[in-house]
Amino acid sequence: SAVISQKPSRDICQRGTSLTIQCQVDSQVTMMFWYRQQPGQSLTLIATANQGSEATYESGFVIDKFPISRPNLTFSTLTVSNMSPEDSSIYLCSAPTSSYNEQFFGPGTRLTVL
Amino acid sequence: GQSLEQPSEVTAVEGAIVQINCTYQTSGFYGLSWYQQHDGGAPTFLSYNALDGLEETGRFSSFLSRSDSYGYLLLQELQMKDSASYFCAVRSYTDKLIFGTGTRLQVFP
Repeated sequence: SAVISQKPSRDICQRGTSLTIQCQVDSQVTMMFWYRQQPGQSLTLIATANQGSEATYESGFVIDKFPISRPNLTFSTLTVSNMSPEDSSIYLCSAPTSSYNEQFFGPGTRLTVL
Repeated sequence: GQSLEQPSEVTAVEGAIVQINCTYQTSGFYGLSWYQQHDGGAPTFLSYNALDGLEETGRFSSFLSRSDSYGYLLLQELQMKDSASYFCAVRSYTDKLIFGTGTRLQVFP
């Protein structure tokens, strides 16, 4: 199993600013994923982050708005840029097991944009 | 595109059995997973079906029928702590998870 931590756990930000969310895994993983979840809603995949290559973004998400770094096999960051109230959400990172049949999730970052 | 539909809410009493259905439209996938998420918590893995049929893990069982584009999660001997949201998710051929709409289960005493 993997243990995933995220920082910050929550933040309140002003519109127009940016926030970088950090995700740390306690073991090396090839793939990491970033999700967004509105309260009471399902998880929406933002992007897949592989070490050594650019992140792959899902439809509706672009690199300028959500730049992602993946400097090594245990760490990734997601930046939410030029924030608006519509970006208020919970952001989660995850990593799969070696079989890829299961994913472990971080505790999430609760973002509120005023 | 891919879509996975679930009932929005299910209610049951302690000790009962409940089935949460998941119908999907997808071009192809490795397997169907189920995740549990308590309010304020992170999703946690429950089960994975790579093949058609029933997988049993303690009080929870999961079923997949690719020919019917359908799966379900069966929860037996319900406990109050089972009150949570449950998500089906397909593991795509690029190993990413696409989640269903989610089902909120409320267990009453």
